[in-house]
Amino acid sequence: GAGVSQSPRYKVTKRGQDVTLRCDPISSHATLYWYQQALGQGPEFLTYFNYEAQPDKSGLPSDRFSAERPEGSISTLTIQRTEQRDSAMYRCASSPTGLAGYNEQFFGPGTRLTVL
Amino acid sequence: GESVGLHLPTLSVQEGDNSIINCAYSNSASDYFIWYKQESGKGPQFIIDIRSNMDKRQGQRVTVLLNKTVKHLSLQIAATQPGDSAVYFCAESAGGATNKLIFGTGTLLAVQP
Repeated sequence: GAGVSQSPRYKVTKRGQDVTLRCDPISSHATLYWYQQALGQGPEFLTYFNYEAQPDKSGLPSDRFSAERPEGSISTLTIQRTEQRDSAMYRCASSPTGLAGYNEQFFGPGTRLTVL
Repeated sequence: GESVGLHLPTLSVQEGDNSIINCAYSNSASDYFIWYKQESGKGPQFIIDIRSNMDKRQGQRVTVLLNKTVKHLSLQIAATQPGDSAVYFCAESAGGATNKLIFGTGTLLAVQP
């Protein structure tokens, strides 16, 4: 695709509900990242995928958070039993290679999650 | 759109002036640094990057300077334009297998026409 896309753009849910956010990376990009961005702050790393593999999920705040990328392209981030503190912008980024090192990350527009 | 300007350091410049945005990074093992621009309601957009084996890199109207001794990074924007108004974030990475980015506190650049 032309860029990273995310859906939905906005999600309002009630505390205790599960939500699933979707990311469509730039086609052929091997690496996909999920970040959480609070208002007025920079994005904070949650997890990343290299194709289907998920080598690092050290940034996930709790075991209520999980992510998948089963076919190495589209990814989902699921938050179970949402809490008000989960309210934030969730951003996805992709980069063109699975190799270690120094590659530009292209960010999507984000999903604004509000937990009531 | 979202407001990312709350409680952020702000740099206000006149159109046509040069801007310098500074950033202190935290990890001496970081070897890759990037500047991102984030406009209201949008995701961060890559501006320029630099590896730790360099101390200066130039792009179109932008220059990044890296001082590893004091762990300081700066972004210089020449002839600042109203379209440059945004929040600017520096980010660092230790590279390796993850290349995850660690973002610094943003700076709001306000360009006065």
